[in-house]
Amino acid sequence: DAGITQSPRYKITETGRQVTLMCHQTWSHSYMFWYRQDLGHGLRLIYYSAAADITDKGEVPDGYVVSRSKTENFPLTLESATRSQTSVYFCASRVTPYEKLFFGSGTQLSVL
Amino acid sequence: DQQVKQNSPSLSVQEGRISILNCDYTNSMFDYFLWYKKYPAEGPTFLISISSIKDKNEDGRFTVFLNKSAKHLSLHIVPSQPGDSAVYFCAASVRDDKIIFGKGTRLHILP
Repeated sequence: DAGITQSPRYKITETGRQVTLMCHQTWSHSYMFWYRQDLGHGLRLIYYSAAADITDKGEVPDGYVVSRSKTENFPLTLESATRSQTSVYFCASRVTPYEKLFFGSGTQLSVL
Repeated sequence: DQQVKQNSPSLSVQEGRISILNCDYTNSMFDYFLWYKKYPAEGPTFLISISSIKDKNEDGRFTVFLNKSAKHLSLHIVPSQPGDSAVYFCAASVRDDKIIFGKGTRLHILP
């Protein structure tokens, strides 16, 4: 029962580099989400997806790209990392609307 | 423009007493609300939810109350225990749309 896994757990990169955070779920949940957690801001939605090949912007999408070619994977790419993208990133999934979200353990990203 | 607001950044409660965490929202279209608990270095974990057709939902020590006219919900924890010390997030959604979280309230349970 793997659930939802994120990789890597920790990542250090430099400004301007491209970095991809991975998210994989084993439940075949339709809905997947990416959030970032920052002090003073709580959890802010970056992108979400209702199904494979369907994605939509959240509250803070600028500087991020997502794809969902397979139901179980929802990678988040920072095309050119900036220091302001230093954060803890959480992936989440759920089966249907009106269901709870299941979160991964998070990826702590530092952009130097 | 914050759609889900948790106006108390922190709250301290004596062990055994009731903890009340509050949440306000601005979007009257929200019809499903959730509370999550988060420990450091872990992902948030689900506590309890409520749909807009109800005004109360209970699960063990946790009760969520929804006041639609005031656009307010609250989470009651009775009795509070040391393991309840964590950050609590309120969240809201409209059907199959995005789920928006508040900034969180850090709860400290005092011995």
